[in-house]
Amino acid sequence: DAKTTQPNSMESNEEEPVHLPCNHSTISGTDYIHWYRQLPSQGPEYVIHGLTSNVNNRMASLAIAEDRKSSTLILHRATLRDAAVYYCILNSGGSGGGADGLTFGKGTHLIIQP
Amino acid sequence: DAGVTQSPTHLIKTRGQQVTLRCSPKSGHDTVSWYQQALGQGPQFIFQYYEEEERQRGNFPDRFSGHQFPNYSSELNVNALLLGDSALYLCASSRIDIYGYTFGSGTRLTVV
Repeated sequence: DAKTTQPNSMESNEEEPVHLPCNHSTISGTDYIHWYRQLPSQGPEYVIHGLTSNVNNRMASLAIAEDRKSSTLILHRATLRDAAVYYCILNSGGSGGGADGLTFGKGTHLIIQP
Repeated sequence: DAGVTQSPTHLIKTRGQQVTLRCSPKSGHDTVSWYQQALGQGPQFIFQYYEEEERQRGNFPDRFSGHQFPNYSSELNVNALLLGDSALYLCASSRIDIYGYTFGSGTRLTVV
């Protein structure tokens, strides 16, 4: 799997939007961009994934650069419950078929201030 | 609807021993993957099982083995435990034909 680069940590205030960046300059044409998050003492949780177009769901939005070499996970209104480690992952899975094993980096530790 | 269930939640073993961890997938899921997460690190992929066979394997030694049963549940076995095997072991289930992983809360293994 191609490598991703994320900041080690970010801090934001409660009820404000959060933009989590991810660089993936070596992404291949078949790689989907996936985001998972891991709350303290829990397993990772799926957030969102996309291929080329921006994606929205009830948890977040995913903005993908036109050249696909970077992407941004957007939490529209952060709450204290959003404090977690956020992982950006490239993987060929994401269409109809299941994904292969995921390659996690260290992720971004998001801190939410009340 | 129960999600992914892992047992036990915590385990302490002695170096050189063997351990078996168990995972029940989410209802409707047929594929099980196992991950190892050391403290402060992201999860590392161990292997994935589908139709009772190992479908894909990460960079882990043969001391790590697994099994999937006809009811889709799975076991992870680790032989000749090393101190470095101390970690959180995560199970994730999915459907082979639909993208989307559901992770369990993990088993915390401590090797002393």
